[in-house]
Amino acid sequence: DAKTTQPPSMDCAEGRAANLPCNHSTISGNEYVYWYRQIHSQGPQYIIHGLKNNETNEMASLIITEDRKSSTLILPHATLRDTAVYYCIVRSYGGATNKLIFGTGTLLAVQP
Amino acid sequence: SQTIHQWPATLVQPVGSPLSLECTVEGTSNPNLYWYRQAAGRGLQLLFYSVGIGQISSEVPQNLSASRPQDRQFILSSKKLLLSDSGFYLCAWSDPGLYEQYFGPGTRLTVT
Repeated sequence: DAKTTQPPSMDCAEGRAANLPCNHSTISGNEYVYWYRQIHSQGPQYIIHGLKNNETNEMASLIITEDRKSSTLILPHATLRDTAVYYCIVRSYGGATNKLIFGTGTLLAVQP
Repeated sequence: SQTIHQWPATLVQPVGSPLSLECTVEGTSNPNLYWYRQAAGRGLQLLFYSVGIGQISSEVPQNLSASRPQDRQFILSSKKLLLSDSGFYLCAWSDPGLYEQYFGPGTRLTVT
């Protein structure tokens, strides 16, 4: 599985867009980019995933560069409740076990 | 809709005592099931996963074991707890072949 690199922490003002970067320069053609987040003392929560097209759902948008070597998770209007550790994970799709390997992630602190 | 339950929510156990944590999933059949541990200030570590009843795979050698006696029940056990077993234990499920995992509320275990 491709390795991902994320900044350890970021700040964002409440109401502004939060843009969380992830580098995955060794990603292969069949690997997807997944994003999860973990609010303090809770289990991780699935956010979004994508292969090469940009994706949007009710929680966030995922922008993947054309060469797929990096991506950005966008929370369009961050709230205090979005303060969490955000994990970027790269895995190939399918497979019987679908194990996820969580790295250290980015701690996003939304400031009032 | 699917729901995942874990209990207890918190647990304080002395060193050398046994452990049993239970996880159940509702609203789905034949899920993949996972046990993770998160030590204080650390990332998530996958401990066990199961693709079916009685089928358990261990990711790391440790003092813990897992069992899946029923399709939607996953149990984490230990015969004798160590101080290093303290942490936040999370159960998760996914549909086979998909990487979207859904996590339970977790059990915070303190071994004293």
